[in-house]
Amino acid sequence: DAGVTQSPTHLIKTRGQQVTLRCSPKSGHDTVSWYQQALGQGPQFIFQYYEEEERQRGNFPDRFSGHQFPNYSSELNVNALLLGDSALYLCASSFLAGSSYNEQFFGPGTRLTVL
Amino acid sequence: AQSVTQLDSQVPVFEEAPVELRCNYSSSVSVYLFWYVQYPNQGLQLLLKYLSGSTLVKGINGFEAEFNKSQTSFHLRKPSVHISDTAEYFCAVSETGGYNKLIFGAGTRLAVHP
Repeated sequence: DAGVTQSPTHLIKTRGQQVTLRCSPKSGHDTVSWYQQALGQGPQFIFQYYEEEERQRGNFPDRFSGHQFPNYSSELNVNALLLGDSALYLCASSFLAGSSYNEQFFGPGTRLTVL
Repeated sequence: AQSVTQLDSQVPVFEEAPVELRCNYSSSVSVYLFWYVQYPNQGLQLLLKYLSGSTLVKGINGFEAEFNKSQTSFHLRKPSVHISDTAEYFCAVSETGGYNKLIFGAGTRLAVHP
């Protein structure tokens, strides 16, 4: 059973460009969350998708947008890239069950460098 | 809103020595508590979690943590560390009854020396 997969592994962009990162959730999972981890810091929640809709959003500008597809995979899009967007972007998936706690499983991340 | 403070950015320790990584949190609502480990160039792996019940929680790789509600702490301990425990450790909280959004601390770098 494949875990959470992300692509690409590494990405280099220049300021002002746009980028799309991709995530495939663990088999059986229907909820995808995205986190940004800047160098030397803890991950910060960007947003969460369930049933193809953004369910909750962290404190990130509208330049950050996402999408969830019918097969539960997800994309993170960042427009007008800034140097400060350089970070490891982590995707986490979980299953929305009846209980309130659902363990999130993390992918290996996509390392984005903005020059 | 919740926040997490990891009191040590780096903890050096010799192999087979005990270690404690400290975590304090702040929240106006009840929370779940977690410790994650991140090895170089990898994602996050759940070490252990506190949801309810016994305040002493045991996790993988011989780690344990104790939830102290009065001190709003959730310190991670291991009685004897190995070289392979060298990694970044993150304490996190999520609001009970919420959407499992995780709020992380800044991390503690555990460096185990021979």
